[in-house]
Amino acid sequence: SQQGEEDPQALSIQEGENATMNCSYKTSINNLQWYRQNSGRGLVHLILIRSNEREKHSGRLRVTLDTSKKSSSLLITASRAADTASYFCATDPNAGGTSYGKLTFGQGTILTVHP
Amino acid sequence: NAGVTQTPKFQVLKTGQSMTLQCAQDMNHEYMSWYRQDPGMGLRLIHYSVGAGITDQGEVPNGYNVSRSTTEDFPLRLLSAAPSQTSVYFCASRDRGGPDTGELFFGEGSRLTVL
Repeated sequence: SQQGEEDPQALSIQEGENATMNCSYKTSINNLQWYRQNSGRGLVHLILIRSNEREKHSGRLRVTLDTSKKSSSLLITASRAADTASYFCATDPNAGGTSYGKLTFGQGTILTVHP
Repeated sequence: NAGVTQTPKFQVLKTGQSMTLQCAQDMNHEYMSWYRQDPGMGLRLIHYSVGAGITDQGEVPNGYNVSRSTTEDFPLRLLSAAPSQTSVYFCASRDRGGPDTGELFFGEGSRLTVL
């Protein structure tokens, strides 16, 4: 079963605008991660936020985590055409120890940035 | 560093045929996993391994076999291919780390079509 639900499924914006993607999950987690996938390629890790963190920044990326609502958001500021890709959230479940890399992925958001 | 290498990139099989998807990583990662990606369903975990000689099932293991004889290699075997196994398969690895880490490194994917 899919732990993460992402919203929206698709997002189309103009270059320079901000893009916000949301992720909800069901069980307690060690951390939540965001990945990017260009068309026809493998997934690339973007950012990881731990369960005791509320916000994290990396370059033009800003991630928030609300464990009480079991939700996260990814904000990409000043988007570029090169940001066009699919974005996935993935949860690392809290099973009393390490999850051994058994992440549970959401269905993804397809972001299109028009030049 | 090559990272995670998957072969073949593309494969067409007939129903009932068997084949092996190869995965190798050169980062000395202990944890390796196989996911399948289907449209609208994100990634689902097939099998994973926490070290040489140790494997376990993920969410969708039926019809697949794995073994881990070395740290570097984690092949995925399709025993008797079915059209439902048409998918894109991704191999991933990560370092042991702790519960606060856990970035997965992905291969470029193997695109399998079963006729």
